[in-house]
Amino acid sequence: AQTVTQSQPEMSVQEAETVTLSCTYDTSENNYYLFWYKQPPSRQMILVIRQEAYKQQNATENRFSVNFQKAAKSFSLKISDSQLGDTAMYFCAFIPQRDDKIIFGKGTRLHILP
Amino acid sequence: DTGVSQDPRHKITKRGQNVTFRCDPISEHNRLYWYRQTLGQGPEFLTYFQNEAQLEKSRLLSDRFSAERPKGSFSTLEIQRTEQGDSAMYLCASSLLDRGLHYGYTFGSGTRLTVV
Repeated sequence: AQTVTQSQPEMSVQEAETVTLSCTYDTSENNYYLFWYKQPPSRQMILVIRQEAYKQQNATENRFSVNFQKAAKSFSLKISDSQLGDTAMYFCAFIPQRDDKIIFGKGTRLHILP
Repeated sequence: DTGVSQDPRHKITKRGQNVTFRCDPISEHNRLYWYRQTLGQGPEFLTYFQNEAQLEKSRLLSDRFSAERPKGSFSTLEIQRTEQGDSAMYLCASSLLDRGLHYGYTFGSGTRLTVV
């Protein structure tokens, strides 16, 4: 079975600090896509960043970047200069190229403290 | 196009009643998904459509659940004879699968169902 594991149920950091959220996944596929989604309290889920497994270069979107280690099946999210608006649930997600549905982890609740 | 719309936002129903939710996807997206999310958990796949064809259903989708996408545009998810265990957030998402490339989903705001 293909799974996504987020080992940190909850994290808190001070505003302006850097925080890293961990994610590992299990698959026998070679080509797939990885995502991080953000779900603010009582608001809809939005895509933060996307990584194609066949690209070695780590994806970056402004303050958000990933550390993709394909051999280790690890896909961590780094948030630099964290802001109060980054407070949310963060979900790591994965979809094999041949498959049709995204598999989500259980999420990490991130609190940015003023 | 303002994104994926879901209606209603909240629904409280008595056990045993039927409920129906609606989802309007982004118009140029060819795929539409339904997920269920319970408190403290990640979304779990229920079913998805490509245009009007329902291509896969999770075993989570008991025979009390039915989903349709009659003209390949909006979709409805109906739950018959609701049970307290059906209480959850029901998320709709749409995506564009283009030449095998996945760009991720665009989610709606969800419908929160409470069965009392």
